[in-house]
Amino acid sequence: KAGVTQTPRYLIKTRGQQVTLSCSPISGHRSVSWYQQTPGQGLQFLFEYFSETQRNKGNFPGRFSGRQFSNSRSEMNVSTLELGDSALYLCASSLGSGDGSYEQYFGPGTRLTVT
Amino acid sequence: AQSVTQPDIHITVSEGASLELRCNYSYGATPYLFWYVQSPGQGLQLLLKYFSGDTLVQGIKGFEAEFKRSQSSFNLRKPSVHWSDAAEYFCAVGARQAGTALIFGKGTTLSVSS
Repeated sequence: KAGVTQTPRYLIKTRGQQVTLSCSPISGHRSVSWYQQTPGQGLQFLFEYFSETQRNKGNFPGRFSGRQFSNSRSEMNVSTLELGDSALYLCASSLGSGDGSYEQYFGPGTRLTVT
Repeated sequence: AQSVTQPDIHITVSEGASLELRCNYSYGATPYLFWYVQSPGQGLQLLLKYFSGDTLVQGIKGFEAEFKRSQSSFNLRKPSVHWSDAAEYFCAVGARQAGTALIFGKGTTLSVSS
């Protein structure tokens, strides 16, 4: 079974721009969660999507948003980029129901650099 | 406040020696506990998980972890370390009420010397 895929793997953007990251979950998984990883703050939960609805949200500003499509693929958008948004963005998929909800499998991440 | 503490930022172990990585958590609800490993430039790989039941859990690559509720700990162990185990290890805690929102520790970097 193919793992979680994320595209693109690397991105360089300029302050003020916006960016969209994509995540395809493991086949059969209906939940997609997003995390930000930085050297200073570590790994932080952004939000979770299940059945095209945001089910849970972390403590990030509204510039960070996401969506999920009917095939469970998810996109994350960051608007008005700031230097502090430079990070590795990780997507994780899980079954989404039952105890399988809590077993998450991560993709390789998208490395975003904001200049 | 909910938190996960990994007291050791960096550990060096000789190849073939045993390993123990420490993890302590503070969480209001009954926790779900996880250990993940991350190699440079890669995502996180799930090593093992604890939801309930037997407090000693086995994972992949010969790793095991023991949940001790009285000590709020979930330490990761391996009896004999291989050079390929060099990576960064993250302990994470979640709960049914929190859904998929995990709280991660800051990580422990493991170096393996020959």
